[in-house]
Amino acid sequence: GAGVSQSPSNKVTEKGKDVELRCDPISGHTALYWYRQSLGQGLEFLIYFQGNSAPDKSGLPSDRFSAERTGGSVSTLTIQRTQQEDSAVYLCASSLDLAGGLNEQFFGPGTRLTVL
Amino acid sequence: GDSVTQMEGPVTLSEEAFLTINCTYTATGYPSLFWYVQYPGEGLQLLLKATKADDKGSNKGFEATYRKETTSFHLEKGSVQVSDSAVYFCALINPGTYKYIFGTGTRLKVLA
Repeated sequence: GAGVSQSPSNKVTEKGKDVELRCDPISGHTALYWYRQSLGQGLEFLIYFQGNSAPDKSGLPSDRFSAERTGGSVSTLTIQRTQQEDSAVYLCASSLDLAGGLNEQFFGPGTRLTVL
Repeated sequence: GDSVTQMEGPVTLSEEAFLTINCTYTATGYPSLFWYVQYPGEGLQLLLKATKADDKGSNKGFEATYRKETTSFHLEKGSVQVSDSAVYFCALINPGTYKYIFGTGTRLKVLA
């Protein structure tokens, strides 16, 4: 079956513009996660969803970042007024359910964001 | 806070060599530990996991043992192949927090 898909695969934008990154999880997966991978850094956990609910938004780097999930499926990560330090690969993952965090996460290919 | 430390890469080995990639962690409570692998051009995928002390995770010839006394989860393989060339990430999660902590990744290059 289809895996996790993300779009766009690459996004180049100018400083100050808003961007939207999309994630389509595996069908039937109720848990969804967003990560950021900056050059030379590990994966930075941003936010998770169980269904449409995001109980903990503390991982988002600033109030310019927001995420939503509708219909328990597609999720959108929005970055407002982008800055050069937002340049990174943004990864999305889904799992069958939260299960205390122990279910295998299936990762998408990522969106490479470049802010000029 | 919780953290994962991996050995710096890249690691370059000849085919059939023995592999060790070190991973140590700092965590409160009793975390579960994971190794994820990212092959060139592909997304991260789970390689193996261990959920309690002394558990050994294994998959595709790779092994890692959860050592609580040394807070380590080193990845090993007895004989690497060119197809093992990838980036390997060590990770932990404290159950109930849903927040995964990943290391910076270690790039492995295996030469024929």
